Amino acid sequence: KNEVEQSPQNLTAQEGEFITINCSYSVGISALHWLQQHPGGGIVSLFMLSSGKKKHGRLIATINIQEKHSSLHITASHPRDSAVYICAHSNYQLIWGAGTKLIIKP
Amino acid sequence: NAGVMQNPRHLVRRRGQEARLRCSPMKGHSHVYWYRQLPEEGLKFMVYLQKENIIDESGMPKERFSAEFPKEGPSILRIQQVVRGDSAAYFCASSPQRIGGIYEQYFGPGTRLTVT
Repeated sequence: KNEVEQSPQNLTAQEGEFITINCSYSVGISALHWLQQHPGGGIVSLFMLSSGKKKHGRLIATINIQEKHSSLHITASHPRDSAVYICAHSNYQLIWGAGTKLIIKP
Repeated sequence: NAGVMQNPRHLVRRRGQEARLRCSPMKGHSHVYWYRQLPEEGLKFMVYLQKENIIDESGMPKERFSAEFPKEGPSILRIQQVVRGDSAAYFCASSPQRIGGIYEQYFGPGTRLTVT
C-alpha cells in the first residue's frame, strides 16, 4: 500500500466548478505538501501544511492530522488550472502520491 | 533571487555514455534533493544532500549513479554507462536550513535525459 493515496486519479470538470482533490496518508508526518505539475513538466509548490487550513487565491488546502487526510480545493476553476496535482508528505524527502490529473473544460 | 537552476534542460546520450546533470540551489539554500520521474509515472526520491555530505541516498540505484554537492559549485548527479531505462526527467529541489523539521522545497525545471 502506498503511503500516500490520492483520489480521484482523473477529474474532468467544466469551467467555474468547485474542485476537490483528496489525499490520505498512513504515517505520521512533519508536513503535507501540495504541488502542481503542468503539462510542460515544471513543478510548483502550492502549499505546505502541518495543521489547519491555508488559502492562496482560488486555492484552499486543509489538513486533518488525526484522520491523516488533506484536501485541495479550487474555487471558480479555469482551464489554466488543468494540471496534475500531487500531494506528498515529508520528514525531509518527499513521498509522493500518484497525482490527480485535472482537466477543466471551457 | 533566482530560483533553482538545472542544466542542461535536455540531454541526449547514447547507451554507455556518461550523463552529468547539474543543479544550482536557490541562494541561501544548503539542502538539495534529486527526484526522478519516469515516463507516465510519479516522482521518486533519489538522494538528499547537504553541502559536502550525502544525508540519504536510499532512493538511488546502487550502481552507475552518484551524487555530490561540493562546498563550492552546483550539485551534480552523475550517471555512468547510461541505459535506455535511465531516460527520464530528473528534478532537483532545494530548501533552506531546516527549521523545526519542516521543509519547503523549491523545484528546478528539470533535466530531460534521453538515452538512444
